Amino acid sequence: EVHLVESGGGLVQPGGSLRLSCAASGFTFSSYWMSWVRQAPGKGLEWVANIKQDGSEKYYVDSVKGRFTISRDNAKSSLYLKMDSLRAEDTAMYYCARLYNKQVFDYWGQGTLVTVSS
Amino acid sequence: QLVLTQSPSASASLGASVKLTCTLSSGHSSHAIAWHQQQPEKGPRYLMNVNSDGSHRKGDGIPDRFSGSSSGAERYLTISSLQSEDEADYYCQTWGTGINWVFGGGTKLTVL
Repeated sequence: EVHLVESGGGLVQPGGSLRLSCAASGFTFSSYWMSWVRQAPGKGLEWVANIKQDGSEKYYVDSVKGRFTISRDNAKSSLYLKMDSLRAEDTAMYYCARLYNKQVFDYWGQGTLVTVSS
Repeated sequence: QLVLTQSPSASASLGASVKLTCTLSSGHSSHAIAWHQQQPEKGPRYLMNVNSDGSHRKGDGIPDRFSGSSSGAERYLTISSLQSEDEADYYCQTWGTGINWVFGGGTKLTVL
């Protein structure tokens, strides 16, 4: 059974940094694209970033380019999101998701909450 | 620009059926989409893919009560024999050429 478990969220001041982690199990992690998707309080889902199986390709939504970095460690079946220069508008629940065929988010975690506030 | 449009809300009675709609923007009527369910205070759950010809592929463990279909630029999710646990937000999602993964705004389904 596929499991994705996020961690690392919390309260951070504007301009601060945070690193999210996602522990994957139940599938061959190194065979899949992986993604981060976020959801601001009371709002809909927004794709944030994707990373290819070997880490050679990474894509970001325009609003986080230059501030967020997605990475992975296939030996540890783990996905990461380093978030720098955080803004209030980055406040959201962040979900780790498996990206099937570079098209569909077919498994999701339960999320980790990031709050950016002074 | 690739955009998905959903009605903000829908409602139906316990045991009845409901059909949710996701509309693709002009010029993108051949795109396949995916449906995701998000129950209150939970992470999303993938339900199925729906292709432009109406064929669909469900995720693991998704009940037969959930089905997908298509007509033109519209993609549908039909839930039959509604149960209380079907009360949730439903999002459609698609992917474009290049760097483009898009969600609709979501439909909040109330089971009466």
